[in-house]
Amino acid sequence: NAGVTQTPKFQVLKTGQSMTLQCAQDMNHEYMSWYRQDPGMGLRLIHYSVGAGITDQGEVPNGYNVSRSTTEDFPLRLLSAAPSQTSVYFCASAPRWAGEAFFGQGTRLTVV
Amino acid sequence: GIQVEQSPPDLILQEGANSTLRCNFSDSVNNLQWFHQNPWGQLINLFYIPSGTKQNGRLSATTVATERYSLLYISSSQTTDSGVYFCAVVSNTGNQFYFGTGTSLTVIP
Repeated sequence: NAGVTQTPKFQVLKTGQSMTLQCAQDMNHEYMSWYRQDPGMGLRLIHYSVGAGITDQGEVPNGYNVSRSTTEDFPLRLLSAAPSQTSVYFCASAPRWAGEAFFGQGTRLTVV
Repeated sequence: GIQVEQSPPDLILQEGANSTLRCNFSDSVNNLQWFHQNPWGQLINLFYIPSGTKQNGRLSATTVATERYSLLYISSSQTTDSGVYFCAVVSNTGNQFYFGTGTSLTVIP
């Protein structure tokens, strides 16, 4: 099992560009989520999904879109990148919403 | 949302020393996990412990759900224990993780 796989590991974007951060899990988990981590802070929830076809907003959803067409994949889209979106992004999955969560290795995004 | 407070914020230990990290939370929880973020940024699962006590080698954790706190014990610390330790919870009424701001641990040889 690969667990939770995120790509890319590093990315530099120019302001206004769009991109998609990929997240895939092979544990057949129903619950998937995206977090961002900023210096000196814990992780904050961006969006989450409790199953294929179901998504909802977290604490900091503005500027991001998600979709969940399959159980395995949960991509995060930045619509028009801004310097405030410079952060480290983590994807996580869990068998259910209160089950043990597993995190990907993170994507370090810089917006210039 | 639920408030999660971790203490101490920073900790410096000599190799071989023991330590206790604390996590207080403001509401009843369905899930509590401890993570170690290593110097490369990876989040490593340590314990899934909404209640009770668990041990894994030199690490152990206890969650007293009725009193809304959890403790992480590190014994005989090693330099590889350095990093940030996060506590994260899912409340009984919610469906997202709330993270504390972490305890930054430095173990010096």
